[in-house]
Amino acid sequence: RKEVEQDPGPFNVPEGATVAFNCTYSNSASQSFFWYRQDCRKEPKLLMSVYSSGNEDGRFTAQLNRASQYISLLIRDSKLSDSATYLCVVSLSAGNMLTFGGGTRLMVKP
Amino acid sequence: DADVTQTPRNRITKTGKRIMLECSQTKGHDRMYWYRQDPGLGLRLIYYSFDVKDINKGEISDGYSVSRQAQAKFSLSLESAIPNQTALYFCATSDTTGDYTEAFFGQGTRLTVV
Repeated sequence: RKEVEQDPGPFNVPEGATVAFNCTYSNSASQSFFWYRQDCRKEPKLLMSVYSSGNEDGRFTAQLNRASQYISLLIRDSKLSDSATYLCVVSLSAGNMLTFGGGTRLMVKP
Repeated sequence: DADVTQTPRNRITKTGKRIMLECSQTKGHDRMYWYRQDPGLGLRLIYYSFDVKDINKGEISDGYSVSRQAQAKFSLSLESAIPNQTALYFCATSDTTGDYTEAFFGQGTRLTVV
């Protein structure tokens, strides 16, 4: 079983739609959680960290469910520019190495 | 200029050849990493280094070696390249502040072994 699992997609949604991705992790001792965004043929970049209480950044909301060992990313009012691959990232603790999921591809259509 | 710079950006090499991928950073971070990315498999860790004298194997280190020449430089070598090492390679650095870690990636090296 992979340490961090994601549905590869693609998720094809129209502009303005709300879309959600889940990611599951296998190590219950994991402490730090992130979502990274990767555009085609580009390097990954941090989108947002995921805090225990959940957090929001504009149209993006991230949530953590420790009991079920999954994190989620919700995107509201999708834009064409949101089309990318979203990588779920988990770490045992701050300062520890990061483990990446395989990514979920999102395609937002006009 | 990018904070994390990888050279070359693209390389085609023959099976059995030795090749080195170089990474330099201007962020002043102690921690550096090499990942490879294959379609559908996400990023897999090859080697990482937490400071100049520290080298650690990652998930898929077989067939690779690294050298941390300085805080700012971390190179990855394929001693005898084989076709299944064809992939997109990323170097990254990270910084930890409190309970927050962020990784910064280079632009990637697309390696093809023929």
